[in-house]
Amino acid sequence: QMQLQESGPGLVKPSQTLSLTCTVSGGSISSTTYYWAWVRQPPGKGLESIGNIFYSGSTYYNPSLESRLTISVDTSKNQFSLKLTSVTAADTAVYFCARVEYDFWSAHYGMDVWGQGTTVTVSS
Amino acid sequence: DIQMTQSPSSVSASVGDRVTITCRASQGISSWLAWYQQKPGKAPKLLIYGASSLQSGVPSRFSGSGSGTEFTLTIDSLQPEDFATYYCQQANTLPGTFGPGTKVDI
Repeated sequence: QMQLQESGPGLVKPSQTLSLTCTVSGGSISSTTYYWAWVRQPPGKGLESIGNIFYSGSTYYNPSLESRLTISVDTSKNQFSLKLTSVTAADTAVYFCARVEYDFWSAHYGMDVWGQGTTVTVSS
Repeated sequence: DIQMTQSPSSVSASVGDRVTITCRASQGISSWLAWYQQKPGKAPKLLIYGASSLQSGVPSRFSGSGSGTEFTLTIDSLQPEDFATYYCQQANTLPGTFGPGTKVDI
């Protein structure tokens, strides 16, 4: 059964870069059936979709974050990563990675496997 | 950008009740809509995709309907484990946008 695990620093200083990695186990990140996603949730608030990536490297970014955001994939390590530059306190959140099952012809899009989430605090 | 709204923002219900949550998109999204359940401190769980398709392993008391701009999630005969927050997500334009959530509590 596929599992996802987020990793990275729990504390980032303002103006610095937030870097997280999601390691996929129990299956290949190179599957053509799936996208891979980052989602975040500020304390006490709702979910925000950060971006999606396909194993080929094609990406979809949240327009509100696009200027600061890079999502990449490393198929050799079965990992995908998130880099968010120039962070502020507003970027403090639980960050989740997720597998997205996707099929255009059936309007099938669903994040069906999630990591447990990792808390990132932006503070000096 | 496609904006998503949900109503109500919260609902108080009892075990055995039927609960309906509405999700509206700011423009047509066909059937590109998913529903998630989230409990405190946990990752969300996929319930419905394609507006009305039940994710494998999800109890049949959950159902989804709608297309275009208006969608509903219905929980028939609410169970104790269903008290949670529910989010809709449009996937017509990636990476998708979540609704603000609906909290179902006792």
